[in-house]
Amino acid sequence: DSGVTQTPKHLITATGQRVTLRCSPRSGDLSVYWYQQSLDQGLQFLIQYYNGEERAKGNILERFSAQQFPDLHSELNLSSLELGDSALYFCASSALSTATSTDTQYFGPGTRLTVL
Amino acid sequence: GENVEQHPSTLSVQEGDSAVIKCTYSDSASNYFPWYKQELGKRPQLIIDIRSNVGEKKDQRIAVTLNKTAKHFSLHITETQPEDSAVYFCAAINRNSGNTPLVFGKGTRLSVIA
Repeated sequence: DSGVTQTPKHLITATGQRVTLRCSPRSGDLSVYWYQQSLDQGLQFLIQYYNGEERAKGNILERFSAQQFPDLHSELNLSSLELGDSALYFCASSALSTATSTDTQYFGPGTRLTVL
Repeated sequence: GENVEQHPSTLSVQEGDSAVIKCTYSDSASNYFPWYKQELGKRPQLIIDIRSNVGEKKDQRIAVTLNKTAKHFSLHITETQPEDSAVYFCAAINRNSGNTPLVFGKGTRLSVIA
């Protein structure tokens, strides 16, 4: 158990809908990262938040957005869902945003999103 | 930005043999290289990492080597066991840059045949 939690574990929805995925980082970690992993694909970095502020952006679609709250949990919002959005969505957390000897990313169990 | 290439994409070995997975990176400023193991349907888990001031690191049956000049690093698994079967991802990052995330390779699916 990495200490990172994600809810829900599974989500089934229809095209055009909107969903929210939730992530709680490890205690004390300030950075949260979101990744998308499609079937048999690698980990596509979406976005990073550090202590409530957006820190880095990857290949995140305009239909997707995220935020990190004062208690450091994060939510990833996916809207106008398409079939191709079906994937595993992972959240990871790390202690700090910049160079540090302990800036390892720990992954949550993921949310499996199925868009029908 | 950083680009990480990982080879091979699939690898099958007999139980007890060694497995080697190689990654190359493009940004010479990258200074931290973790390896993650992902079992089917599970989360990626950090198995070993290496920093740029070290050439090799070992942890039981797993070792990672780094060649900064050639900009490549490798994962070595000795005496493979069926439970080593998983997808392995390498990654690289310049930890001094602040705003760049980990860049992952596309993964290697390792199958250990009993």
